[in-house]
Amino acid sequence: GAGVSQTPSNKVTEKGKYVELRCDPISGHTALYWYRQSLGQGPEFLIYFQGTGAADDSGLPNDRFFAVRPEGSVSTLKIQRTERGDSAVYLCASSETGLGYTFGSGTRLTVV
Amino acid sequence: SQQGEEDPQALSIQEGENATMNCSYKTSINNLQWYRQNSGRGLVHLILIRSNEREKHSGRLRVTLDTSKKSSSLLITASRAADTASYFCATFNSGNTPLVFGKGTRLSVIA
Repeated sequence: GAGVSQTPSNKVTEKGKYVELRCDPISGHTALYWYRQSLGQGPEFLIYFQGTGAADDSGLPNDRFFAVRPEGSVSTLKIQRTERGDSAVYLCASSETGLGYTFGSGTRLTVV
Repeated sequence: SQQGEEDPQALSIQEGENATMNCSYKTSINNLQWYRQNSGRGLVHLILIRSNEREKHSGRLRVTLDTSKKSSSLLITASRAADTASYFCATFNSGNTPLVFGKGTRLSVIA
């Protein structure tokens, strides 16, 4: 597609529930990144894929967070047993060169 | 973790004035990038400056980089109300490492 697409744009879930956030990167971009941004803060790195494999998952806060990219294009960020502290905007970006990133519009997750 | 620290955290200016935002970082870098974010959603890449460059221009944007001081500045000349947004610096170290963002400067341009 023309840009990075993230769905849903907004997600409200109850504490303890499981959520999946989807990212559809620019076609042909091999690098895909997930970031999390809390109010008033800059984006914080979560995980990075090069192709199908997670090249760096050092930013995932705990084992409730997991991400996949099975065919090297679409990626899904999965959060188990959500907590109120998981509320944030989750941003996905893709890159062809690993230099300038193209970001999606984000998914605003609210855990109530 | 966040490497870059932008200064000031918030800036309010009149339309037509210049806006200057600063960024400091901690470790050596391959390049430094500036991004813009409207309404807390997607970020837009503005400009990239490599570690061996000292100054770069793009339209009304001017970026400087001082690797000895580990700092960069973003200047927006002749600001417009549409420039109102948050601006983030992000550093790229090397290889396959991801960009590390600062906390941002919230710019308000008053018409």
